[in-house]
Amino acid sequence: DTAVSQTPKYLVTQMGNDKSIKCEQNLGHDTMYWYKQDSKKFLKIMFSYNNKELIINETVPNRFSPKSPDKAHLNLHINSLELGDSAVYFCASSQLRRDRSNYGYTFGSGTRLTVV
Amino acid sequence: GNSVTQMEGPVTLSEEAFLTINCTYTATGYPSLFWYVQYPGEGLQLLLKATKADDKGSNKGFEATYRKETTSFHLEKGSVQVSDSAVYFCALGKGGSEKLVFGKGMKLTVNP
Repeated sequence: DTAVSQTPKYLVTQMGNDKSIKCEQNLGHDTMYWYKQDSKKFLKIMFSYNNKELIINETVPNRFSPKSPDKAHLNLHINSLELGDSAVYFCASSQLRRDRSNYGYTFGSGTRLTVV
Repeated sequence: GNSVTQMEGPVTLSEEAFLTINCTYTATGYPSLFWYVQYPGEGLQLLLKATKADDKGSNKGFEATYRKETTSFHLEKGSVQVSDSAVYFCALGKGGSEKLVFGKGMKLTVNP
């Protein structure tokens, strides 16, 4: 069973369209994230949800809207897609531990978005 | 704020060569430190981690030691294989739900 699964794996769409990427984790983690990886492989956090509550919202255009219906799912909706949105988007999850240490993330395999 | 600086590469090595990828960090307090690996066309996988000073993380022949005095977490492997060709990311994290801050990644190619 895949721990963190994203769909679709590839997404090609035209400028101006609206699209969604879905993410699900079966690890029982309480926190989920969206990261964007650009063409130079640089990773930048976009959003984070803990138990369905938004806790990190970096400087991201408001065309990007995350939604977490429950703690196992975190979807990303993008309105009015632009050429610069082309990237690989990664979902990840983690679990807050009692000692509050950070044990890292489990990543999905990514969604390669190409805007033409 | 918290930040990670790592060698950017790309680096090309011959099989069985020694590998070092430097990573230094800036952070307040006592962060956890990580190395992630991304194989071509795949997501990131946790390679190893260390949660406190002097801890050594190890996995698949790779090692890294958390050095608080030099704020470093350099990745080493004594003898690389072609299958180690990937992009390697150093990362820092504080607190269970706080974001991980990643270095810019280093692409390694190992030739037979």
